[in-house]
Amino acid sequence: GNSVTQMEGPVTLSEEAFLTINCTYTATGYPSLFWYVQYPGEGLQLLLKATKADDKGSNKGFEATYRKETTSFHLEKGSVQVSDSAVYFCALSDNSGAGSYQLTFGKGTKLSVIP
Amino acid sequence: DAMVIQNPRYQVTQFGKPVTLSCSQTLNHNVMYWYQQKSSQAPKLLFHYYDKDFNNEADTPDNFQSRRPNTSFCFLDIRSPGLGDAAMYLCATSRDLGGRQETQYFGPGTRLLVL
Repeated sequence: GNSVTQMEGPVTLSEEAFLTINCTYTATGYPSLFWYVQYPGEGLQLLLKATKADDKGSNKGFEATYRKETTSFHLEKGSVQVSDSAVYFCALSDNSGAGSYQLTFGKGTKLSVIP
Repeated sequence: DAMVIQNPRYQVTQFGKPVTLSCSQTLNHNVMYWYQQKSSQAPKLLFHYYDKDFNNEADTPDNFQSRRPNTSFCFLDIRSPGLGDAAMYLCATSRDLGGRQETQYFGPGTRLLVL
């Protein structure tokens, strides 16, 4: 079956520090990969996505590259801000055929950025 | 802006008293989902609708039901809420193009408290 493994949190960084949250996956076929962000008390917001190998998703200074050879989709940001404090979920969508509607999520990584 | 709307944002109910959560969307997506998210966990898919076709996850309790009267609206009914059903309930939508699912977009969630 499909699975997503992301680095355990919580992660605490100082403002302007470099962020990496590791994510690796196991899937059949050619999944699409996503990073969602959840701010306290809110729903999930799509942060970025990539649908095929070597694609780079980017948004709001965050980036992640779909690496098929290492089955990874690590999230990076060069300079974090206090407003980036949230829980980040890596997820995959298995596009192996009709009916493959379930998003497989990692357990989430809580990021706290301190001034 | 096109979006996924959930009402209410907070719902308090009594043990055993039926409760209904609502979701609407202006994205005109043909697939709608309900997820349950407990504290510090990833969202767990309860069921989804592909157009009018209802698809229940194997481990979703019978206590949870859903209705989709039209494309825009979807309801989650909890027939006899227990204390263990207190959680955030997330609605999501996506568009399916002939078996290839596109990105899921989430609403802000309804936090359910059971007294």
